[in-house]
Amino acid sequence: DAGVIQSPRHEVTEMGQEVTLRCKPISGHDYLFWYRQTMMRGLELLIYFNNNVPIDDSGMPEDRFSAKMPNASFSTLKIQPSEPRDSAVYFCASSFRGEQFFGPGTRLTVL
Amino acid sequence: GDSVTQMEGPVTLSEEAFLTINCTYTATGYPSLFWYVQYPGEGLQLLLKATKADDKGSNKGFEATYRKETTSFHLEKGSVQVSDSAVYFCALILIQGAQKLVFGQGTRLTINP
Repeated sequence: DAGVIQSPRHEVTEMGQEVTLRCKPISGHDYLFWYRQTMMRGLELLIYFNNNVPIDDSGMPEDRFSAKMPNASFSTLKIQPSEPRDSAVYFCASSFRGEQFFGPGTRLTVL
Repeated sequence: GDSVTQMEGPVTLSEEAFLTINCTYTATGYPSLFWYVQYPGEGLQLLLKATKADDKGSNKGFEATYRKETTSFHLEKGSVQVSDSAVYFCALILIQGAQKLVFGQGTRLTINP
């Protein structure tokens, strides 16, 4: 298996623009997680899904953030409109029975 | 609530030194415990795990023992290498609960040649 796949790996955009991050989990995994990592706040769980259903979105910072999982092999995290304070590395992870496997991350820079 | 507390970093050691990174936890149920490692520019990778009390997880020369009596899961390595420089995260997951990891804040380790 190729592992968790994220795209793009790097994204540079201007404030106010819409940003969409994509994730393909490992086949057969039933949980999918979105994290954000910054120097100031460390690693934060934003939202997670079980069998494509959102279970806990309490970590989503505000209404500008939304996440979807239309099927078992694809998820998106959208920021609209983006702001400079959204600059971070965003990780997707998937799991089956506990152990989480992380993707390489998307480094987002909002100018 | 459930939480993980790690040794404050950063930690700087010389090559071949002995490493300990402390980790303690608080959990309402029976957790499984993990150490993840993040190398520069990469995502987190599972380093080792232990699923019940007195289990010892080991990988790449690293070890950690699940100590229920002290609620600890300290990471150790007898002789570190420059290539061990990374950020290390201790984490727990409740066996009977939600399948989300609770992470410590991470400890940055730098090994000098």
